[in-house]
Amino acid sequence: EAQVTQNPRYLITVTGKKLTVTCSQNMNHEYMSWYRQDPGLGLRQIYYSMNVEVTDKGDVPEGYKVSRKEKRNFPLILESPSPNQTSLYFCASSLNRANTGELFFGEGSRLTVL
Amino acid sequence: QKEVEQNSGPLSVPEGAIASLNCTYSDRGSQSFFWYRQYSGKSPELIMSIYSNGDKEDGRFTAQLNKASQYVSLLIRDSQPSDSATYLCAVFNQAGTALIFGKGTTLSVSS
Repeated sequence: EAQVTQNPRYLITVTGKKLTVTCSQNMNHEYMSWYRQDPGLGLRQIYYSMNVEVTDKGDVPEGYKVSRKEKRNFPLILESPSPNQTSLYFCASSLNRANTGELFFGEGSRLTVL
Repeated sequence: QKEVEQNSGPLSVPEGAIASLNCTYSDRGSQSFFWYRQYSGKSPELIMSIYSNGDKEDGRFTAQLNKASQYVSLLIRDSQPSDSATYLCAVFNQAGTALIFGKGTTLSVSS
């Protein structure tokens, strides 16, 4: 089954404790992206990757890091989480740049930072 | 930065009626437009894309695009309670590297 898998789905952590949200897709997609969704603000892009070893900032990259060492994986790293990073996070992928508008989303990871 | 505007709703329609969802965008150069549906507690899923002026139909869904007015809409005919969800309008950013999403319109279909 074609899918984008995120883990963990739910996480409560404390300020400053480093965490990683993993994302993996099994569709051989080149493009991957992270979004956060907040009430009243909608979906906003954090980082994206056009292909292996090619990543770039989205609209709200502060406080986040990413890497793309393998085509299928695109982890989101919060080095020192803060309460304003409490949000619902989505990983998404698409076949390639030409298909960037047709995104497949993971199930989401709800993060609470205390 | 492109902006995408939608009425947040909720838009309430009775079962069997036509639901009309509207979206405006700020960048006149935008070429590609998308409608995503998001059920409560779930992830967004693509339901329609439209690239040319006019209408595009897919089953009960019709997307309409008017580039001169910078307006895109989604019509849902014969609305069903299962259509109750938040509908997100999206357009490409200027670099073509990301979708810019509207904040979504919540649709409620009552039986």
